[in-house]
Amino acid sequence: RKEVEQDPGPFNVPEGATVAFNCTYSNSASQSFFWYRQDCRKEPKLLMSVYSSGNEDGRFTAQLNRASQYISLLIRDSKLSDSATYLCVVNTNAGKSTFGDGTTLTVKP
Amino acid sequence: DTGVSQNPRHKITKRGQNVTFRCDPISEHNRLYWYRQTLGQGPEFLTYFQNEAQLEKSRLLSDRFSAERPKGSFSTLEIQRTEQGDSAMYLCASSSGDRVVDEQFFGPGTRLTVL
Repeated sequence: RKEVEQDPGPFNVPEGATVAFNCTYSNSASQSFFWYRQDCRKEPKLLMSVYSSGNEDGRFTAQLNRASQYISLLIRDSKLSDSATYLCVVNTNAGKSTFGDGTTLTVKP
Repeated sequence: DTGVSQNPRHKITKRGQNVTFRCDPISEHNRLYWYRQTLGQGPEFLTYFQNEAQLEKSRLLSDRFSAERPKGSFSTLEIQRTEQGDSAMYLCASSSGDRVVDEQFFGPGTRLTVL
């Protein structure tokens, strides 16, 4: 079993749709959590950090459930430009980062 | 350009040869990471430096892989006796390290092809 697991998708949604991605992690000592975005043949870039209280950035909402070791990302009002692979990332205090294999999103007109 | 840079961008080599990649992090970033990524997979952690100290090294890293960051600035990743299974994108990232939770900035990667 992988340390960080994501549904690979692909998710194919129309513009304007709401889509949710899930991620589970196995290391209970994990301390910090992130969502990164990776466009085709590009490097990953930080989308947002994930906090226990939940956090929102525009159309994006991230939530963390430490008890269930579960992280989510919600995208509202999807845009064509949201098409990408979304990577769930979990860090330990020692500095090691573990990436999920990503969930691919395609937003269609 | 003040982002993370990696050289070379592409490397084609024959099986059994040694290769070395370089990463220049964002100036004054204390932390530097190396990852390997293959198609359809997320970046796989290889190793991590805090300044010049190598603090974490993946068990997946065989003895053929070595990384250095001699002056706490740029880093090199060497692969000895390359195998076809080493073919992948090698990504470097850096972060400020000012707190436990900090953003990693990635370079464009070095794509290795082992024939």
